[in-house]
Amino acid sequence: QLQLQESGPRLVKPSETLSLVCTVSGASITSTNYFWGWIRQSPEKGLERIGVIYYTGTTYYNPSLKSRVTMSVDTSTNQFSLKLSSVTAADTAVYYCAANGFGSLAFVDHWGQGTQVTVSS
Amino acid sequence: NFMLTQPHSVSGSPGKTVSISCTRSSGSIASNYVQWYQQRPGSSPTTIIYEDNQRPSGVPDRFSGSIDSSSNSASLTISGLKTEDEADYYCQSYDNSNSWVFGGGTKLTVL
Repeated sequence: QLQLQESGPRLVKPSETLSLVCTVSGASITSTNYFWGWIRQSPEKGLERIGVIYYTGTTYYNPSLKSRVTMSVDTSTNQFSLKLSSVTAADTAVYYCAANGFGSLAFVDHWGQGTQVTVSS
Repeated sequence: NFMLTQPHSVSGSPGKTVSISCTRSSGSIASNYVQWYQQRPGSSPTTIIYEDNQRPSGVPDRFSGSIDSSSNSASLTISGLKTEDEADYYCQSYDNSNSWVFGGGTKLTVL
């Protein structure tokens, strides 16, 4: 069974870069039917998809965040990662890594447990 | 882009049936699939309906999804309500450029 686990700093200073890693177990990150993604949730904005990546490195980013987002895949560690630059308090949220196992960009069917990230000096 | 509007809250008694609506503000609800996610207190979301009416394995058939073009809305129906169904429910769809839209969420209370 596919499991996803987020890790990374829980406190980030304004203007710095938020970095998170998602460790995948139960499936290979190079499986051709999986897309890997990040979704965040805050009381102010609700649920918001940040972006999606395929194991080949092909990405799709939320247009509203595109200028600040970088996602990557590490096939040697079966992990994928998120970097969000120039963060502000508005980026404070619970960040979830997620996956779609149907080869679809339209939804996710697996979620990590989420990690709270706070942007504060 | 369009918006998805959900009622803030709904309630029902154990054993009864409730429905949660998700109304698309512009464009046809049938144009792009609708998904539903359940989020219990303190937990991450789980996917309970995808592609309008499909259930992932392990999701009970008490949960069903549908779309209604006349009202331009999607609905999640939960029959045989259980106390464990008490949660927040979110609908989600996307536009033709693959930008996702989430509804604001509906809090289900099982009385």
